[in-house]
Amino acid sequence: GEDVEQSLFLSVREGDSSVINCTYTDSSSTYLYWYKQEPGAGLQLLTYIFSNMDMKQDQRLTVLLNKKDKHLSLRIADTQTGDSAIYFCAETTSGGYNKLIFGAGTRLAVHP
Amino acid sequence: DSGVTQTPKHLITATGQRVTLRCSPRSGDLSVYWYQQSLDQGLQFLIQYYNGEERAKGNILERFSAQQFPDLHSELNLSSLELGDSALYFCASSSGWTGTGNEKLFFGSGTQLSVL
Repeated sequence: GEDVEQSLFLSVREGDSSVINCTYTDSSSTYLYWYKQEPGAGLQLLTYIFSNMDMKQDQRLTVLLNKKDKHLSLRIADTQTGDSAIYFCAETTSGGYNKLIFGAGTRLAVHP
Repeated sequence: DSGVTQTPKHLITATGQRVTLRCSPRSGDLSVYWYQQSLDQGLQFLIQYYNGEERAKGNILERFSAQQFPDLHSELNLSSLELGDSALYFCASSSGWTGTGNEKLFFGSGTQLSVL
C-alpha cells in the first residue's frame, strides 16, 4: 500500500541547517516531492526528485533519496525565519494517475 | 499566487446541510484535484478530473461528489454534512495527465469548511 511518514516537528536555530526526513512504502514510486505550506496558504511545490536519482540540489535545498531504504530527506541550508512552515513529503507513481500521497507534514520552527 | 482560485475562502454551515466548493484551475491546466486537510487525517486525496472526466478516486465519501465543467472549473459538492467534515478543502491543478508520474500540482488557498 501507499504510506508516507514524517516526523511532526523540528526546531532549529536561524542560520543552522534543517533536515526533514520522510519514509515511504511504495517501492514503485517514480517521483517524490517536497511541498511547503505557510499559514493560511495552499501548498507550494519546493522541489522534486526522480526515483533513479540519489541527490538533487536547488540553491539552499538539497534532496537526498535512499531508494533501498525508501528514505527521503530535505536539507535546508542557512535556515531563515521565513522558512518556518509545514513541509510535506509526497510520492506519486506512474501509470497515468498522478495521485499524490502526502505525509502528515513536518512543522519547522526557526528561532533566533 | 499559484493561479488556482478557490471560493469561498470560508464556509460555516450546520449539520445535514449541503455546500458547493468551487475551483478555477490555472489558465491552460486540464487536470483538477481535490484534497481534504484535517488535523486527524492530514492531507487526503479525494478525486481527480482531467478535461471533464474523472481520472482517479481516493478517499472520497459517497456523500461527496465533484465534477469538472467544459470551461474546466470544478465543483466539489458535500451533502448531509457532519461535524467530522469540518476541514480545509484544497483544489490543485496541473497541466495534464502525462502518465509519467511527474505532474507538478499547483494548489489554491483552500476553503475552510466549518460544520456546526
